[in-house]
Amino acid sequence: DSGVTQTPKHLITATGQRVTLRCSPRSGDLSVYWYQQSLDQGLQFLIQYYNGEERAKGNILERFSAQQFPDLHSELNLSSLELGDSALYFCASSVEGTNGELFFGEGSRLTVL
Amino acid sequence: GQQLNQSPQSMFIQEGEDVSMNCTSSSIFNTWLWYKQDPGEGPVLLIALYKAGELTSNGRLTAQFGITRKDSFLNISASIPSDVGIYFCAGRPGQNFVFGPGTRLSVLP
Repeated sequence: DSGVTQTPKHLITATGQRVTLRCSPRSGDLSVYWYQQSLDQGLQFLIQYYNGEERAKGNILERFSAQQFPDLHSELNLSSLELGDSALYFCASSVEGTNGELFFGEGSRLTVL
Repeated sequence: GQQLNQSPQSMFIQEGEDVSMNCTSSSIFNTWLWYKQDPGEGPVLLIALYKAGELTSNGRLTAQFGITRKDSFLNISASIPSDVGIYFCAGRPGQNFVFGPGTRLSVLP
């Protein structure tokens, strides 16, 4: 158990819909990262938050947004869903500092029909 | 942007064999991390490396931080069926993390 909690584990929805994925980082970790992994693909970095502030942005679509709340949990919002958005979405957390390690949650599997 | 190359892309080995895989970068990294991902699950951290030249073991796994700080190696000794999965390397040049595309390992009985 990495200590990073993600909900829901599985989500099936239709095109055009909107979903919210939730992540609770490890206790004490201020940084939260979101990654997308399509079938048999690598990990695509979406966005990073540190202590409530956006820190870095990757290949995140305009239809996607995220935020980190004062209690440090984070939500990834995906809207106007398309078939190609079907993927595993991972949240990861780390402590600040260049020697911090990254710990992943078990992921949320999104299926768009 | 920064990219990591992992080789081989995939490998098929016999149970009991040793495995070597590596990760290279065009940039210098301060930290190297190795992860294993089972199908449908999140990547699990195997080994973390912090200093150039550092050699660290975790059971049958051994990883090294290259002295140029641009590469890292992971070795698995005496492979077993549960070693099957995708192995990702990740580098930390600063505050962010850069991931390699992964090495897919299959272990034949």
